[in-house]
Amino acid sequence: EAQVTQNPRYLITVTGKKLTVTCSQNMNHEYMSWYRQDPGLGLRQIYYSMNVEVTDKGDVPEGYKVSRKEKRNFPLILESPSPNQTSLYFCASSSTGRLAGEQYFGPGTRLTVT
Amino acid sequence: KQEVTQIPAALSVPEGENLVLNCSFTDSAIYNLQWFRQDPGKGLTSLLLIQSSQREQTSGRLNASLDKSSGRSTLYIAASQPGDSATYLCAVLNTGGFKTIFGAGTRLFVKA
Repeated sequence: EAQVTQNPRYLITVTGKKLTVTCSQNMNHEYMSWYRQDPGLGLRQIYYSMNVEVTDKGDVPEGYKVSRKEKRNFPLILESPSPNQTSLYFCASSSTGRLAGEQYFGPGTRLTVT
Repeated sequence: KQEVTQIPAALSVPEGENLVLNCSFTDSAIYNLQWFRQDPGKGLTSLLLIQSSQREQTSGRLNASLDKSSGRSTLYIAASQPGDSATYLCAVLNTGGFKTIFGAGTRLFVKA
């Protein structure tokens, strides 16, 4: 089954404790992206990647890191989480052939930073 | 900077009614526009994707149109049902960077 998976689905952590949210897709997609969703602010792009070793900032990259060492994986790293990073996070992927394909979303990771 | 606006923010209609959701964007340099559905507390489900060279796409009771020159897209839902109640989001994929910008969504409630 074609899918985007994220782990963990729920996470409660404390300020400053480094964490990684994993994202994996099985569709051989070139494009992967991370978003956060907050009430009143909607979905905002954090980082995206066009292919292995190619990443770029979205609209809200501060406080986050990403890496793309393998085509299927795109982890999101919070080196020193703060309460303002409490949010619902989504990973997505799509193809980037001659016509950019539709984005498929993972189920989301609800992060609470206390 | 690309901005995406969805009107109305919320909509309540009786079952069976046809309805139109609107999405406008300020920069026409896009690869595509995608419509999603999101149920409360859930992830995003893709409904329709329109490439920048296309004018419309259809799937079942849904029809999405794109007018790139005027920066507008509409999602038409025919014969609405209570199960259509959800938040509908549009997103554009920009050229020259591959950034994705979402609208704030339209919250739809279909009354039985």
